[in-house]
Amino acid sequence: DTGVSQNPRHKITKRGQNVTFRCDPISEHNRLYWYRQTLGQGPEFLTYFQNEAQLEKSRLLSDRFSAERPKGSFSTLEIQRTEQGDSAMYLCASSLAEGTQTQYFGPGTRLLVL
Amino acid sequence: AQSVTQLGSHVSVSEGALVLLRCNYSSSVPPYLFWYVQYPNQGLQLLLKYTSAATLVKGINGFEAEFKKSETSFHLTKPSAHMSDAAEYFCAVSPNTGNQFYFGTGTSLTVIP
Repeated sequence: DTGVSQNPRHKITKRGQNVTFRCDPISEHNRLYWYRQTLGQGPEFLTYFQNEAQLEKSRLLSDRFSAERPKGSFSTLEIQRTEQGDSAMYLCASSLAEGTQTQYFGPGTRLLVL
Repeated sequence: AQSVTQLGSHVSVSEGALVLLRCNYSSSVPPYLFWYVQYPNQGLQLLLKYTSAATLVKGINGFEAEFKKSETSFHLTKPSAHMSDAAEYFCAVSPNTGNQFYFGTGTSLTVIP
């Protein structure tokens, strides 16, 4: 049973550096979502893809953030010129586009910006 | 607009006691509702979901939740708490034609031996 996987699990970076995270969804899932979770809060939606198309982006997703899903399988989330406020857990989820669209989450990537 | 309110950011129960975690939602359309559990430094694991079928939904680990439209609630219960239930619990709502989930702020459950 291969669920959603995310790499790396932890990332420490200095302010101003760029970071990239990877998400591999459940193989038959055509939708992929990115969320951000800060301490004491629930996940907040960032963006989602259906196949390779990015269909929705949150206002939380500033110009420094970019996400791709070039072949409709794995996805990357890049943060340019990181700021301390970017420190958070970045969660990826995947689902089918049909039915209840239940989202299955990966273990997350915890980012610390120093 | 969709939103979720979880009453009580921290709940403590004794081992063996009833667990009740509250969730109220607002949704402009009939929603799908979900409960997820999150253990420290891990992602979210689906506990159960309501998708317009039976209003009483049974999930994993002995948890269940009841959808009450008149009260716009979807409270999570478990008859007897176990030490392994200590975790963060999130309620989420999704419009049944929508895409993103809207999460509550979570309830941290502590189980006292």
